[in-house]
This record gives sequence, structure tokens and C-alpha cells, in this order.
Amino acid sequence: EIVLTQSPGTLSLSPGERVTLSCRASQSISSSYLAWYQQKPGQAPRLLIFATSNRATGIPDRFSGGGSGTEFTLTISRLEPEDFAVYYCQQSGISPPWTFGQGTKVEIK
Amino acid sequence: EVQLVESGGGLAQPGGSLRLSCAASGFVFSSYTMNWVRQAPGKGLEWVSGMTGSSGIKYSADSVKGRFTISRDNAKNTLYLQMDSLRDEDSAVYYCARKDRSGSYNHFDCWGQGTLVTVSS
Repeated sequence: EIVLTQSPGTLSLSPGERVTLSCRASQSISSSYLAWYQQKPGQAPRLLIFATSNRATGIPDRFSGGGSGTEFTLTISRLEPEDFAVYYCQQSGISPPWTFGQGTKVEIK
Repeated sequence: EVQLVESGGGLAQPGGSLRLSCAASGFVFSSYTMNWVRQAPGKGLEWVSGMTGSSGIKYSADSVKGRFTISRDNAKNTLYLQMDSLRDEDSAVYYCARKDRSGSYNHFDCWGQGTLVTVSS
């Protein structure tokens, strides 16, 4: 099973700041199989980024993803009030189990 | 509009059973692999089980193998999760999630609002 480790666990930031979240895999994964989700309190997760760097429908361009092999990132270029949430990375290789990172919480400073 | 609506959650005793349902609409249900993902209170996301659309191949996490059974009725556009031998650690919000069908990627592109399962005596 591929283990995903996200860092940091929590970030305290102000609106307008730039933030980069990290996701490290226990073994190399194809860039086609790395996704990012956003989850707000009391809501279901929402797909942000798929295949490492592709924004899902309706996702603003301040969100961008990158990386390869075992190191992946999600960058928010300028935090908006609605971006304060928990972010999860997921690897979804050819065969299950499809695993998630433990999440990074972006909170208002 | 694509929609997934879960139901069937509630309180169950340890060792008991529950059956969750996920009603799908707005897309060709039989063409998609569907999944269950859970989230324990205050914790992260855990993939639980998945089932392909037409071939009916099933997958499950080790944590639920032998206890949970995924199934689907494509005529009713509904996904199910039969949960037996429930444990305290199965307490969570259970989400139904659709897997991308492109064949090139495997992300989950649509999620239901979730149904809460509480296992307690």
C-alpha cells in the first residue's frame, strides 16, 4: 500500500498570502494518479486537481499542482477567504487500495 | 446535474449490521466505477470499497474485508454497502464517490453529502 504523507499538518495564514502544500509518497507514482481535494467543515470533499496539475471544472486558476515521482505540491497563489479548509492528496493507481494523505489544514491567522 | 445521495446511516451496536445506499442521478450510472470513502470524526479520508460499472469487479480495503460487501443495481442507479460485524472504529461519515471514467486517471470527480454511521453500545 502506498502511504502519502502531507506536510505541514496545519498552516496559519492571512488572506492574500501564497501557500504551498506538500504530499510525499512512500513509492513513486505516476503523475496521472495524483489528485488533490478540498474539504470545508460539514461538507464533502471537492476535487481540485487531478493528474498532478489539471484543475477540475470550475476551479479558479489561483490553484495549481505540480511534482513527480514521490514529491507533489499544491499551490494557492493568493489565498481567498473561501480557501481556508483542509486539503487532501490522493493516489489512485491502476489497482486499489487508493489512499489519501492525512490532510493539511489551512486556517486563518 | 450529477448527484449522489447517500442514506441508511444511523446507530448500530458492535457486532451489528447496517446497509447504506447511494442513489445516483444525472449520469449513466452503469458506466462508472463507484466507491465508498469514510471519514471518522475529526480524522482524514479512508477509501473503503469500490465496484466497477458493468463487469462488477469489487475491491475492498483490508480493514473491511470479510465484513463489508459492496454491490450495485444498475437498473435502479443505486450503490450499496452492506456492513456486518460492525466495530467501534467503523464509526464515520460514509461518502459515495464516482471515479473518473476516462481510463487515464482514477480520481474521484463527484461525491455525495455523506451519511453518518455510529457504532456504539
